[in-house]
Amino acid sequence: AQSVAQPEDQVNVAEGNPLTVKCTYSVSGNPYLFWYVQYPNRGLQFLLKYITGDNLVKGSYGFEAEFNKSQTSFHLKKPSALVSDSALYFCAVSSNKLTFGGGTRVLVKP
Amino acid sequence: KAGVTQTPRYLIKTRGQQVTLSCSPISGHRSVSWYQQTPGQGLQFLFEYFSETQRNKGNFPGRFSGRQFSNSRSEMNVSTLELGDSALYLCASSLAGGGARRETQYFGPGTRLLVL
Repeated sequence: AQSVAQPEDQVNVAEGNPLTVKCTYSVSGNPYLFWYVQYPNRGLQFLLKYITGDNLVKGSYGFEAEFNKSQTSFHLKKPSALVSDSALYFCAVSSNKLTFGGGTRVLVKP
Repeated sequence: KAGVTQTPRYLIKTRGQQVTLSCSPISGHRSVSWYQQTPGQGLQFLFEYFSETQRNKGNFPGRFSGRQFSNSRSEMNVSTLELGDSALYLCASSLAGGGARRETQYFGPGTRLLVL
């Protein structure tokens, strides 16, 4: 069975500082990993995905994620956070469905 | 290209009633998946439809059902509503989905169901 863990319920960061949201996964076979963001009263918006190839994946809105096979991690990063990045972030692994982590709430303070 | 649309956006029902939610996928997408989002359980997979056939199913009781039409639009139905069914129901579409693990699923805004 596959699973995803997001160890932090909430991450607080000052605007302009680097943002990291952590994700670890467990899956048999090759992992297909995704990050989504959810703003209040909205659905999930796709940010980026790792399928194969470069371990550093670039996505929307300046986000990127680093795939680390030995640590089974897929952390989401942004070099300089904006107040508008405040939202709920979900990591997911794909098989015949998406299995999501519990989500991490990001609060960027001005 | 228009995104995934879901109707209605909000619903209030009472226990014992039934409800039908609708989802229109992105044009050209043939796979539609449904997810339930609650504060306690997070995001959970309900089922996936592809070419009018249910291809995968999550661990939900038989009160939860769905169908897909020839134009790929999908509906989900919940019968005999319980208080615990209060949730945000999200629909996602992808080109082929299911076994195509690499594909991105695109989500609609969701239907928020409140059961009183």
